[in-house]
Amino acid sequence: ETGVTQSPTHLIKTRGQQVTLRCSSQSGHNTVSWYQQALGQGPQFIFQYYREEENGRGNFPPRFSGLQFPNYSSELNVNALELDDSALYLCASSVDRYQETQYFGPGTRLLVL
Amino acid sequence: GESVGLHLPTLSVQEGDNSIINCAYSNSASDYFIWYKQESGKGPQFIIDIRSNMDKRQGQRVTVLLNKTVKHLSLQIAATQPGDSAVYFCAETGGGADGLTFGKGTHLIIQP
Repeated sequence: ETGVTQSPTHLIKTRGQQVTLRCSSQSGHNTVSWYQQALGQGPQFIFQYYREEENGRGNFPPRFSGLQFPNYSSELNVNALELDDSALYLCASSVDRYQETQYFGPGTRLLVL
Repeated sequence: GESVGLHLPTLSVQEGDNSIINCAYSNSASDYFIWYKQESGKGPQFIIDIRSNMDKRQGQRVTVLLNKTVKHLSLQIAATQPGDSAVYFCAETGGGADGLTFGKGTHLIIQP
């Protein structure tokens, strides 16, 4: 076990709605990254947060946003959901922003109808 | 854009045999490489990593080889067991806030 937890495990939304996914990092890990994993694909980097600020971003539109809190928890928010947003969303924590070894949670499976 | 890819989507091996999973990367700036194992319904699990100043690293039953000349990475699993059945991803990064770049994965199937 990595000590990284995510909630909920599964979620169903309809197109146009908004969703918030949650992650709890390992204690002492100051950096959290979020990834989107489509079925049959490798995870795609969405963004990274370090000490409550966005520290890096992949090729995802602004409707994907996040928050990181001092208690090692974080959120991924997606607005105006599209069908293609259906995927497994993974969070990963690491000791700091220069620690490349990332430990993943079990993911949240999002289905957009 | 630059990406990390894998040569084979599925690899089937006999239980007890050695498995070799390959990965090609194209970003010459990558200096850190990781192999992850992902079982059905779970998140990726860290297996082993290697930095670009090394060409081989061994763990428990696993070995990672890095050939920077041809930008090739491989994962060797010794004495494959049924519990090794999973999808294996290689990932690379240049460090910092760019995140990990993953390949598409190889599904390792263990036959009895």
